[in-house]
Formats: sequence, C-alpha cells, structure tokens
Amino acid sequence: SQQGEEDPQALSIQEGENATMNCSYKTSINNLQWYRQNSGRGLVHLILIRSNEREKHSGRLRVTLDTSKKSSSLLITASRAADTASYFCATRSGGGADGLTFGKGTHLIIQP
Amino acid sequence: NAGVTQTPKFQVLKTGQSMTLQCAQDMNHNSMYWYRQDPGMGLRLIYYSASEGTTDKGEVPNGYNVSRLNKREFSLRLESAAPSQTSVYFCASSELGRVNEQFFGPGTRLTVL
Repeated sequence: SQQGEEDPQALSIQEGENATMNCSYKTSINNLQWYRQNSGRGLVHLILIRSNEREKHSGRLRVTLDTSKKSSSLLITASRAADTASYFCATRSGGGADGLTFGKGTHLIIQP
Repeated sequence: NAGVTQTPKFQVLKTGQSMTLQCAQDMNHNSMYWYRQDPGMGLRLIYYSASEGTTDKGEVPNGYNVSRLNKREFSLRLESAAPSQTSVYFCASSELGRVNEQFFGPGTRLTVL
C-alpha cells in the first residue's frame, strides 16, 4: 500500500518561480524523506526530516513536517530547468521493515 | 567510487523464463533493498536485507527470490517470469538503521512478453 501521497501529480511553472509539493501519509513515522528522479534514472536523496523536526533547509530546498496532520511539503525556490524531475516523498515502511514506502510522486516541469 | 551498480540495464524475457538481476554497492553499507516501479506509481519494496546473512519480504515479494551473496552483493531472481513483472527494478543500499537515506542504482528495465 502507498503510505505517502503527493499532491499535485504534475506541476508546470516558469523558471525562477517557486515550486511547492505536498505529501500526506497515513501512519506514524520515524522520519520522512524526499527524493528526486530524473527521467530514466535512479532516485537521488534530497533531504530527510525527523518526526521531531518541523522545518529543515538545504540550499534552495525547504521541507516542513506537520505530524498532527500527517503531511509534509517540499518547497524549491528560484527553480531552474535542471529541477525538472519527479519528486517522491518516502517514509519508513509500516510493517517494521527497514525499507521505505514511497508515494506516487509529483512530476515537476520547469519551463525556460 | 561507483555507488550502487545494477546489471543488466535492459532485459526482455518470455513468459516462464527465469533470470537474475544483479546489484552491488561499494559504500560498505549493511542494508540493501530491491524495489519495483510501475508507471504512475511510486516504488514498492520487494525484498530487503538488513545485514549480511539476512533477508526479509517487503510489500510485493510474490514471484521473486533474493540472495545476499556477501556484504556488497544482493541479487533478485525471477524463477518463472510473468507479464505482471514487467517493471523497472531498483536496487538501493543504506547504512544499518531506520533514519538513514538510501542510495539507488540506475535501474533495470524488464519487459516480460
């Protein structure tokens, strides 16, 4: 089952604008991670936020976590063409496994 | 430092054929994973190996077997391929522990006819 669900499924913005993606999940988590996948490539880890953290920054990325609403958001500021990719949130699997449970992703297109 | 490598990159099988997907990592990670990604879906965990010598089922293990050959290598075997196993398969690794990020290989695109 999908733990995380990203919203929107697709997003197209102009270069230089900010992009915001949201993720909702169903069960309690230890941490939530965001990954990027360029077309035809593997996933690349972007940022991890722990359940006791509310906000985290890394370069042009800002992640927030609201455990009471079971939701997270990823903000990419000053977007660039190279940011065009699919973005996935991931949480630790609920069955006790050490693997991650991924949402279906948001496909972000940055128009030049 | 190659990170996580997977072979082959592409494979076409006929229904009923078998094959093994290979994965290796050079980061001295303890944990390794196999996921599949279907169109419009996120990744789903097939099997994982928390440490050398152990393997466990994930969300979608049916039709697959795995072998943790040593600390570096974790293979995924399809004994009798079915069209429903057409997918992109990703291997990943991480340090032991639940808070750590995972490092992914480039994927194997498998088509079963």
